[in-house]
Amino acid sequence: EGQLVESGGGLVQPGGSLRLSCAASGLTFSSYWMHWVRQAPGKGLVWVSHINSDGRSTNYADSVKGRFTISRDNTKNTLYLQMHSLRAEDTAVYYCARGVTFDPWGQGTLVTVSS
Amino acid sequence: QSVLTQPPSASGTPGQRVTISCSGSSSNIGRNTVNWHQQLPGTAPKLLIYNDFHRPSGVPDRFSGSKSGTSASLAISGLQSEDEADYYCSAWDDSLNGYVFGTGSKVTVL
Repeated sequence: EGQLVESGGGLVQPGGSLRLSCAASGLTFSSYWMHWVRQAPGKGLVWVSHINSDGRSTNYADSVKGRFTISRDNTKNTLYLQMHSLRAEDTAVYYCARGVTFDPWGQGTLVTVSS
Repeated sequence: QSVLTQPPSASGTPGQRVTISCSGSSSNIGRNTVNWHQQLPGTAPKLLIYNDFHRPSGVPDRFSGSKSGTSASLAISGLQSEDEADYYCSAWDDSLNGYVFGTGSKVTVL
């Protein structure tokens, strides 16, 4: 069964940067839109960004626009999220998910922004 | 920013039917399909219902989705203890040019 595996999370100071990765295995990746969704501790799901299948079209939530960049490498079956100017309110588990139906989801990677 | 409103909680005894609502607007549910996601405690979300009422392979037929106008609903019939989880609706929003998730509903089996 195919899966998505996120990595790259960790502790970063306010104002810092981090790059998340989402590796796809055992499933079709290159022909699907891909998303990043985050969940702050004890809170609900919030859509962050998505990218179309060839990487030429992207959208972002207002809260991350200008600070985060989504990209993908279809030769490596990998999705990325470059995050800059991180704030305490960006602290969350970040999930990647495939397609307009968000299926499947990855297991998530925790990003903690704190001094 | 959640623009899809769900009740914070719902509960029932084993075997009962529980329904969760998801209220939106003409820019999201009114024009676009709704997905439902189940998040078991301490785990990642999982797709439960897609395109308003379709079930992915492996999802029991106890789970059903419906939509009318700018609202959608998830029904769980024959409630089981393993259904205790958080449930979220989601849809594309034409005004925000992005996806929106519901506020989430915690289902408790009494």
